[in-house]
Amino acid sequence: EAGVAQSPRYKIIEKRQSVAFWCNPISGHATLYWYQQILGQGPKLLIQFQNNGVVDDSQLPKDRFSAERLKGVDSTLKIQPAKLEDSAVYLCASTSRRPNTEAFFGQGTRLTVV
Amino acid sequence: GEDVEQSLFLSVREGDSSVINCTYTDSSSTYLYWYKQEPGAGLQLLTYIFSNMDMKQDQRLTVLLNKKDKHLSLRIADTQTGDSAIYFCAETSTSGYSTLTFGKGTMLLVSP
Repeated sequence: EAGVAQSPRYKIIEKRQSVAFWCNPISGHATLYWYQQILGQGPKLLIQFQNNGVVDDSQLPKDRFSAERLKGVDSTLKIQPAKLEDSAVYLCASTSRRPNTEAFFGQGTRLTVV
Repeated sequence: GEDVEQSLFLSVREGDSSVINCTYTDSSSTYLYWYKQEPGAGLQLLTYIFSNMDMKQDQRLTVLLNKKDKHLSLRIADTQTGDSAIYFCAETSTSGYSTLTFGKGTMLLVSP
């Protein structure tokens, strides 16, 4: 079974530029999460999708972050414009069941904003 | 909101047992998890425990849950240098859409 795929693995941008991350969850997984992990901290939920609908985006900075999951499969997370404090690893995870007895994580995209 | 707290750092010698502790605040927590993160890698689920259990053993790993005190621990027997990593405690509940909430992680350093 293929795991959660994320791209790119690394990205360096200047502040005020925009960036997009892509996630392909495990086939058949209805729930998809985007987490932000700042260095030295635990992952913090940005947004949670159930199929192609958003079920929790309460911690997403909506003035600059957006995410979509068209057709309930792949997802993209965008930041526009980026700030220095957005430097972090962005993790995508997916799970098939409620409650999620196991969420599978991708390797993440490490974003550096300079 | 939910909060998960962990000790930040633990250092042990190879062959010793390691115990990593975690406390949580959400009384509706249903599942509690331990994830392992090695440098540059994603999160790997090690084990989980359902809230109606108080202990779960899986090879070298033992999870203890004190639901009254909202305290979770992970014991690693015969710790090896390959166990060096960051360990995250996480919880979810059956209310809402089962958001997974993480602690800040405990860095385990195993020396030879």
